[in-house]
Amino acid sequence: EPEVTQTPSHQVTQMGQEVILRCVPISNHLYFYWYRQILGQKVEFLVSFYNNEISEKSEIFDDQFSVERPDGSNFTLKIRSTKLEDSAMYFCASLDRSDNEQFFGPGTRLTVL
Amino acid sequence: GENVEQHPSTLSVQEGDSAVIKCTYSDSASNYFPWYKQELGKRPQLIIDIRSNVGEKKDQRIAVTLNKTAKHFSLHITETQPEDSAVYFCAALVTGGGNKLTFGTGTQLKVEL
Repeated sequence: EPEVTQTPSHQVTQMGQEVILRCVPISNHLYFYWYRQILGQKVEFLVSFYNNEISEKSEIFDDQFSVERPDGSNFTLKIRSTKLEDSAMYFCASLDRSDNEQFFGPGTRLTVL
Repeated sequence: GENVEQHPSTLSVQEGDSAVIKCTYSDSASNYFPWYKQELGKRPQLIIDIRSNVGEKKDQRIAVTLNKTAKHFSLHITETQPEDSAVYFCAALVTGGGNKLTFGTGTQLKVEL
C-alpha cells in the first residue's frame, strides 16, 4: 500500500538556522499539506498546496515558512530562521481528490536548541 | 474559521467497558468528520470517518454519530481492550477549497486491566 514518507525522522538545529523538511506524497495525490504538533498538544494546520501554489495557510505560517514542490515527487517545508517555539513534530499529508481521507506521513521531529 | 472542541481530555475505563468521546464544531459548512488514533511518537491514524449526509457509521467495535443540527459528533468504542489505549483526535473539514483539517484537542484514553 502506498505511503507518505518524510525525511529526516529527527532534526536537531540551532536557533536561527534554516531547516528543510522533506516529504514524498503518494504519487497520484493532488493536494499536499503540512501540519504541526507541539508535544502534548493537538495537530495544527500550517499550509495546503495544490496545483503548484499555496491554497490556504494558517496564522502560524508566517514569512519564516515556505513550501515548495521542486519536482514531481518531493514536497518541502522550509523554516528560514528557526525559533525555540518551532520545536514540534511536523507531519506531511496528501489527499486524493476522489476522497477526503488525508494520508499522514510518519513525521519529522524538529528540535531547536 | 472552524473551531473544534473535544471532551473529555482524559478518559480511563476498565477493559471491556465502553468509551465515548465527544466533539463539537462551529462551522456549519464542515461536512467531513474523521477520527484519528495516535500512539506516542507516531502519526495520526484514521480509524473511522463520517460525512454530513450520514447520521451514524459503525465498523466493528467503533462507531461514530453525527448531529448536524447541534454540530456535534461522537466516537463510541465498545468492548475496550488495552491496545485501544492512545490519544484520539476528532477533526472537521470543509470539502472544496484547501480541504484543511481542523483538529480537536485530543482525548487520552487509558484502558485498564
